Amino acid sequence: GEDVEQSLFLSVREGDSSVINCTYTDSSSTYLYWYKQEPGAGLQLLTYIFSNMDMKQDQRLTVLLNKKDKHLSLRIADTQTGDSAIYFCAESMRGSARQLTFGSGTQLTVLP
Amino acid sequence: EAQVTQNPRYLITVTGKKLTVTCSQNMNHEYMSWYRQDPGLGLRQIYYSMNVEVTDKGDVPEGYKVSRKEKRNFPLILESPSPNQTSLYFCASSLRDSSYEQYFGPGTRLTVT
Repeated sequence: GEDVEQSLFLSVREGDSSVINCTYTDSSSTYLYWYKQEPGAGLQLLTYIFSNMDMKQDQRLTVLLNKKDKHLSLRIADTQTGDSAIYFCAESMRGSARQLTFGSGTQLTVLP
Repeated sequence: EAQVTQNPRYLITVTGKKLTVTCSQNMNHEYMSWYRQDPGLGLRQIYYSMNVEVTDKGDVPEGYKVSRKEKRNFPLILESPSPNQTSLYFCASSLRDSSYEQYFGPGTRLTVT
């Protein structure tokens, strides 16, 4: 079945760039997502990328997709303390919510 | 304000005592679902509903029930809770079965002793 893997923890200094990595196994995934979960809150969709794209940039966020290696990354430029959260990678076939598979989440800690 | 609400936000209960976690959305969404979040496992789907009176099992449905009598509400029912159902639960909704426009509730932390 589908599997999405992420490392569990990442620490960076304020002002540095953060790179959160994710690998997935389902080659038929067409939508790949990054969600952010702040303490005590639900998930917030940060950005998504279609499988026919290599890169997507949105302000401080850059998503890179290597479809050959089934590797997705989220780069946060100029990381701030407000970026401290859990970041989930997820994939879906045809954009279906029924078929949305989440990774385990990466806890990003931004140090002053 | 468009939102998904869940109640209660925190609940401690004992094994075997039936409980219901409510979920309500004010966006006239057709699709609703329940997830549980456990450390190191991410979110796993429990049940989903494509519309009123249409529900189906997700990946981890054992020990849970749902109902969808009205479009806005999608309660999660634990008939006989057990300690392995201690978890953080999220309700989500979207206009249709579309993962790029899902709204998530704030979560319900359930502890079963």
